[in-house]
Amino acid sequence: RKEVEQDPGPFNVPEGATVAFNCTYSNSASQSFFWYRQDCRKEPKLLMSVYSSGNEDGRFTAQLNRASQYISLLIRDSKLSDSATYLCVVKSRTGGFKTIFGAGTRLFVKA
Amino acid sequence: DGGITQSPKYLFRKEGQNVTLSCEQNLNHDAMYWYRQDPGQGLRLIYYSQIVNDFQKGDIAEGYSVSREKKESFPLTVTSAQKNPTAFYLCASSSLSNPTDTQYFGPGTRLTVL
Repeated sequence: RKEVEQDPGPFNVPEGATVAFNCTYSNSASQSFFWYRQDCRKEPKLLMSVYSSGNEDGRFTAQLNRASQYISLLIRDSKLSDSATYLCVVKSRTGGFKTIFGAGTRLFVKA
Repeated sequence: DGGITQSPKYLFRKEGQNVTLSCEQNLNHDAMYWYRQDPGQGLRLIYYSQIVNDFQKGDIAEGYSVSREKKESFPLTVTSAQKNPTAFYLCASSSLSNPTDTQYFGPGTRLTVL
């Protein structure tokens, strides 16, 4: 079983739609959680951190469920510019800090 | 302004040649990392370093070598022993002082072996 698993997609949605991505992690000692965005042929960029209480940044909402070991990202009112791959990232404290990147979920937003 | 730079952006190499990819950061980060990404795939860790003059193998270190002589610099050498070196190579750095600190990436080097 992979340490961090994501649905690879692709998710094809129309502009204005709401889309949700889920990610599960296997290490219960995981401490920090993040969502990154990666555009085609570019480097991953931090989108937002994920806090236990949930957090929102404009149209983006991230949630963490420690009991079930999953995190989610909700995008409301999708824009064409949201088309990208979204990476789930988990940081654990195992002999120092270890960061695991999920393989990513591709999103295509259509006009 | 602060950030991570990688050079060159594109690199072409003949089979059997070693090639070195540059990575520099001015974020005063202790840790630096090298990843490889193949088309449609996730990131795979090649090497990482948490302190000057020390580095550790990642999941796919075979055929690669690194050095960390300065805090700011973490060059990666792709040797002729790497069987399938054509890929997108990403360098990242992070602070180690806080568990909520995460990694920041350079723009990447796209290596093609002819």
